[in-house]
Amino acid sequence: VQLRESGPGLVKPSETLSLTCTVSLGSINSYYWAWIRQPPGKGLQFIGYIHYTGSPNYNPSLKSRLTLSVDRSENYFSLSLSSVTPADTAIYYCARSIRGEDAFDLWSPGTMVIVSS
Amino acid sequence: EIVMTQSPDSLAVSLGERATLHCKSSRRLLYGSDERNFLAWYQQKSGQPPKLLISWASNRESGVPDRFSGSGSETDFTLTISNLQAEDVAVYFCQQYVTSPMTFGQGTRLDIK
Repeated sequence: VQLRESGPGLVKPSETLSLTCTVSLGSINSYYWAWIRQPPGKGLQFIGYIHYTGSPNYNPSLKSRLTLSVDRSENYFSLSLSSVTPADTAIYYCARSIRGEDAFDLWSPGTMVIVSS
Repeated sequence: EIVMTQSPDSLAVSLGERATLHCKSSRRLLYGSDERNFLAWYQQKSGQPPKLLISWASNRESGVPDRFSGSGSETDFTLTISNLQAEDVAVYFCQQYVTSPMTFGQGTRLDIK
């Protein structure tokens, strides 16, 4: 199974950051799918996860701006983060876990998103 | 949320020697009838995503060399890398998953002395 993110690498402040993670060589079913980000040179922040059935769990620090969704027919899941600021600049990873609260056993390569005008 | 604190921030160890990395949780991570610790360790090499090394505090993932070992319980955990190899240069993160939001330590950078 492989994960690959796609989406714009540059987003303007106050706009919405949208990313998609495609699951290939395997099924999106039976797992939880998460987003994690890492500001350049810094640590990791859990953003949220979504079950393949569509039930999401959001980090409270981002909940008011965050929407996660899943498309089982197309084998991908998505992140939408509204009203972005430069503080949202980071490498964004998608990842897999077996349970909701769990270690992440599979990660995408990561995609850099810069918030700047 | 649970705060994870790693020490030291950076560490340099000679090839073939042992590296000891620490992770402390602000809450106990030992739960469940089977009393497991909800703690994972990751290795992140430069320009790569994190790689899961150890789950449940001491359970090594498939394919991870046995020179990597995890120990500890409740709030204090250790990742030990024996017989340090050049390819072990990386940043190592711990993560708690006992409750959401899951949180990570700030990382320990490991270099060769």
